[in-house]
Parts: sequence; C-alpha cells; structure tokens
Amino acid sequence: AQSVTQPDIHITVSEGASLELRCNYSYGATPYLFWYVQSPGQGLQLLLKYFSGDTLVQGIKGFEAEFKRSQSSFNLRKPSVHWSDAAEYFCAARDDYKLSFGAGTTVTVRA
Amino acid sequence: GAVVSQHPSRVICKSGTSVKIECRSLDFQATTMFWYRQFPKQSLMLMATSNEGSKATYEQGVEKDKFLINHASLTLSTLTVTSAHPEDSSFYICSAGTSGEQETQYFGPGTRLLVL
Repeated sequence: AQSVTQPDIHITVSEGASLELRCNYSYGATPYLFWYVQSPGQGLQLLLKYFSGDTLVQGIKGFEAEFKRSQSSFNLRKPSVHWSDAAEYFCAARDDYKLSFGAGTTVTVRA
Repeated sequence: GAVVSQHPSRVICKSGTSVKIECRSLDFQATTMFWYRQFPKQSLMLMATSNEGSKATYEQGVEKDKFLINHASLTLSTLTVTSAHPEDSSFYICSAGTSGEQETQYFGPGTRLLVL
C-alpha cells in the first residue's frame, strides 16, 4: 500500500542547533513530495516540494530537503533552528491528484 | 501568491443545526479543491475532492449527505455539515490546487467547529 512514514513523533532541539526530520515513502514510482509546516490552530504552509531534477531542494524559512531514491526518503533539514520553528511538520506525497500525509513530527525548540 | 482563505475560522453551533464553511482561493483559480478533517494531535484525513462545476468525490467512509460540498466557481468551494452532532466537532481544512502537472495544494487556515 502507498504510504508516507515519519518515524519521529516528537523532536526537541536547542535554538541554534541543526534539525533533521525524517520522511520515508512507499510508492510504486517516485511520487511528488512535499513538506508542510503547521503552527497550532493554523492551516498548513508549504515549505518546499520535489517533482524531479536536483535532489537537493531549497525551501522557505531556511529549510532544505534531500530526495534519496535508493532510501525512499525525503528528509527535511535546517542548519540553525529558531524558536519560531516550533511547530508540527508534515511530509506528504502526491500520487495522481491526492496527497497522502505522514503522521507528523512535533518540533519543540528549547532556549 | 497562492493564498487560500477560509471562513469562519471558528464556529460553535447547537446539535442538529447545519454549518457552512467557505474556502476561497484569493489569487489564483483552483480547478480542484480538497476538504480535510484533522483530529487533535493527528494528521490530515482527506474527506473529499471537488472540481468546479461537478459533483465532489468522497473518500471511503465519508457520508456525502452529511458533508455537502459545492464548488460553484474556480475560486470558491463550500462544505456544509448538515445536522451537526458533537462527534462532528473537529478542525476542517481546505486546500486549493494549482493546475498542471506540477500541481501543488495550498491550504487555508482551517475552521474549528464545536458542536454542543
């Protein structure tokens, strides 16, 4: 079955430290891949997306993600986390026209 | 660009009443709009997909007579929760898709529904 997995439910990181959020997908072919961020009580904001081409994708707010076909992964990274990055992060894959979401990773930033 | 709005942001209603939620794409035309439901601390669950001028496609397990979707124009879709009950209380989020092969969904800010 097609699925998106985010292995980490909750990550705590110190402000200024680096952050990596994991995402794995299970699809027959490479789907289109997305990372969204959700602040409490808010909708989802698109951080970045991968369709094809360069496997390192740059997004907004200093985030980047790397697509690795061999590992079926699309991990999100940020070199230096800010307190405002505390939020819920969702990885998603698009097959045909539907998006399938991972369970989400909650990021807590400590001072 | 690619801004999606939802109205209202929060609604409280009595059991048995109907509630309408609007979703608008403000700066682009959305051929397809999507409605999701999100329970606390959980991911988004797709409820239905609506295309302008045609009937919505509902996901398995979603009652189409309970959740009425209308997509009257390329910038507006509405979700009506009919005869709402407390178990319908949830966070409802819409998204609008840009057209073409590289279609991307842009999400609204969500509507918090509380049914008393």
